[in-house]
Amino acid sequence: AQKITQTQPGMFVQEKEAVTLDCTYDTSDQSYGLFWYKQPSSGEMIFLIYQGSYDEQNATEGRYSLNFQKARKSANLVISASQLGDSAMYFCAMREDTTAGNKLTFGGGTRVLVKP
Amino acid sequence: DVKVTQSSRYLVKRTGEKVFLECVQDMDHENMFWYRQDPGLGLRLIYFSYDVKMKEKGDIPEGYSVSREKKERFSLILESASTNQTSMYLCASSLSGTGVNEQFFGPGTRLTVL
Repeated sequence: AQKITQTQPGMFVQEKEAVTLDCTYDTSDQSYGLFWYKQPSSGEMIFLIYQGSYDEQNATEGRYSLNFQKARKSANLVISASQLGDSAMYFCAMREDTTAGNKLTFGGGTRVLVKP
Repeated sequence: DVKVTQSSRYLVKRTGEKVFLECVQDMDHENMFWYRQDPGLGLRLIYFSYDVKMKEKGDIPEGYSVSREKKERFSLILESASTNQTSMYLCASSLSGTGVNEQFFGPGTRLTVL
């Protein structure tokens, strides 16, 4: 079974609107972390936001928020007030804290295109 | 600022050649990683290392090997390059432990094997 699933391969969003990117995960660990990265067309991977499995509050970083629903094993990224510069690939990733080396498992990604 | 550098942005090799991809980080991170990125498949972990001279296989190690002789440097080796190894290769590093400790990525090497 896939550990990280991003069901939306691509989506359009109107500038200034909010967009939600879906991510579901599968783990039997109690301690884990969830990450979102952005990859613009230039190719660099940019860390956006992190949610720990024991964090009770949803993580927020500026216009990014993570809608963490532990029982449903989902960690959706919400981008508010979309900007043209938000056009990029977005990857959800999970770190299972019982494994050595802090390795991440990534989803297949969602491509977002912001329309003016 | 954490910096992860990779030896080449673009590389073209012939089938059967031995290929070395170098990665260097300057933040004294214990962990280093090699991924390959293919459309629709996200990033897949090839190998990682959590200490000098230590290495662990990731999800797709076949056809690759790695070397970590110094803490700051992690090399990916394609012993005999094949066309199905044409891909984008990303190196990353991180601190150990729980908490954020996010991975920092290099700019990537786009490898084409002819």
